[in-house]
Amino acid sequence: EADIYQTPRYLVIGTGKKITLECSQTMGHDKMYWYQQDPGMELHLIHYSYGVNSTEKGDLSSESTVSRIRTEHFPLTLESARPSHTSQYLCASSDRDRGSDEQYFGPGTRLTVT
Amino acid sequence: GEDVEQSLFLSVREGDSSVINCTYTDSSSTYLYWYKQEPGAGLQLLTYIFSNMDMKQDQRLTVLLNKKDKHLSLRIADTQTGDSAIYFCAEYTDKLIFGTGTRLQVFP
Repeated sequence: EADIYQTPRYLVIGTGKKITLECSQTMGHDKMYWYQQDPGMELHLIHYSYGVNSTEKGDLSSESTVSRIRTEHFPLTLESARPSHTSQYLCASSDRDRGSDEQYFGPGTRLTVT
Repeated sequence: GEDVEQSLFLSVREGDSSVINCTYTDSSSTYLYWYKQEPGAGLQLLTYIFSNMDMKQDQRLTVLLNKKDKHLSLRIADTQTGDSAIYFCAEYTDKLIFGTGTRLQVFP
């Protein structure tokens, strides 16, 4: 059983607000990821990190930012939420020492911006 | 390019076998995965197969890999209503690329 947590699970917020989605894992994994999942099911990688102080943008352009100050923590921030940010956000982690990049996922945060 | 394709929907009767198909493009993939996503949840790793294998069986799940055709399949025997979910295949080369997902619906 993977130990990766996301909070909040659900968030409804007004346009223009700043929000931070939290993601934490207790497995000591170096690699962490944020995916955005649209209603059509497809996953889009928006950010990833290979370790502390390492962050990279993913395949899908996103107005969000991330930070990685501690191994276990990888928060995602939206400075000014817009309705187009409404989506499901999934966090994942994997062990750098494994060559397979087997990713473990959190339960997700469903964000609605009104 | 990197494309992992799946059919969008599959509907099966309870007790029948389900076969979910996936095609990928990168012949250098080293691992191929199947993930399951239940409503309102994250993805759960179901099984994986090394690229030098043709088949892997794990209880009700059978994974078949045809490297020549770059085709991966997941067979679920004796499909139950609890198997209703979205299934994602994924290929790994230097990063993990997810497929488009297949929504499996099991009806009584």
